[in-house]
This record gives sequence, structure tokens and C-alpha cells, in this order.
Amino acid sequence: DTEVTQTPKHLVMGMTNKKSLKCEQHMGHRAMYWYKQKAKKPPELMFVYSYEKLSINESVPSRFSPECPNSSLLNLHLHALQPEDSALYLCASSQESGTGARADTQYFGPGTRLTVL
Amino acid sequence: AQKVTQAQTEISVVEKEDVTLDCVYETRDTTYYLFWYKQPPSGELVFLIRRNSFDEQNEISGRYSWNFQKSTSSFNFTITASQVVDSAVYFCALSEPQTNTDKLIFGTGTRLQVFP
Repeated sequence: DTEVTQTPKHLVMGMTNKKSLKCEQHMGHRAMYWYKQKAKKPPELMFVYSYEKLSINESVPSRFSPECPNSSLLNLHLHALQPEDSALYLCASSQESGTGARADTQYFGPGTRLTVL
Repeated sequence: AQKVTQAQTEISVVEKEDVTLDCVYETRDTTYYLFWYKQPPSGELVFLIRRNSFDEQNEISGRYSWNFQKSTSSFNFTITASQVVDSAVYFCALSEPQTNTDKLIFGTGTRLQVFP
């Protein structure tokens, strides 16, 4: 089973709203990721969690706040977003991260299409 | 510097044609991994293959095959007898576990359209 689930599938929010994106995996993976993908572009890494600790933040603005409550769940809290933040947000997980010796396969969820008005 | 180039922005074929998607990469590391992902219109990135730099064997999986050539820094992907369901954007990606932990360096993608 290589399933990563994400909710909601679509989200429309105003610039003053607070919302959260959720991601869940039950593969026993210890690394989870958030990516942002604009139309006709490749995904861009935002955050990496390894063993429930934030290991990489790719200089993402503070209006995006990640959270990893446990090894199966990953949230992305959104506050005061801008219209240019409209994109597809993808979650991924892999067996491990940061081993320095190998790169485990990242399995992606279906994404949340976010529109900021 | 690490980089992945997918020079073909868009390819259109008719069903049952064979099609090859090119991927050229740049890295200074001796240990690296290469991936292919498929992204259909629904948006999910579907994993297709992972290959490490020490394994140059070509791979075949059904209608899909991959040709890894370190001498030319290429990892090309061929779909034999293409089908309409193969229509998607295909991304090639590079990972360097020793110098760029966990980062997948994606190419810009190739949009494949298969017409009936």
C-alpha cells in the first residue's frame, strides 16, 4: 500500500482566513514533505519532517506553518495568504530521510488545489 | 551544480506509437538517484522508477522501459505502443543524498498527449 491521502481536495480562501491542509500516510514512513506546484511548473520543496522533527525549511514565508502531530500526520496551517500562493500543494512521504547514503522513494498524495482570493 | 534537463516540452503521438522522453542530468556526486514520475491531469505524482548511480542496467516494466547511460548522463524513458491513458506530464528527478539531503531536483517536465 503506497497511499498518501490529502484533505481537502480543493480549498478557496480569502486573504484574511486561516485554514489547514492535512496529509496522512499509513506506510510506516518516517519522513514527510510539503511541496508547492504552480501551473506548468515542477513541484518545489517547502518543508521536510524527519521523525516528527522539522529538518528542512526552504525559506518559506511564515504565513505557511507546518506541523507534524505524529509520524502518520502532517498539517500545513495557512494564514494571511496572498493570491500568488494559489497553487497545488502536494504532500509526500518516504521511508526515511537524511541518511546521507541513499534517497528513498517519495510517494505523493493527490494534492490540494488552493485558490486565494 | 545539479540540474535536470527535459528538453522536450510537449510531445504528441497517435495511439500505438512508441515514444521516448529524454532526461539529461548534471551532478558532481558519485552517489545519486534518478526517478521518473507521472502526473496525470488529476494532479497526483505517480512514482514510476528509482535508479541509483551504481546500477546501469536498463529496466523494462510492461510497456515502459528505461535506458540509463552514465557516459552521456541520460536516463531516458520509452513507452511502447502508447495509449490514451499515458497522456500526462512526466517528470524526471535527481536526488543527491550526500550533498542535497532529501531534495528532489525536478526537470521542467514533458507533457505527453496521446491521441486515439
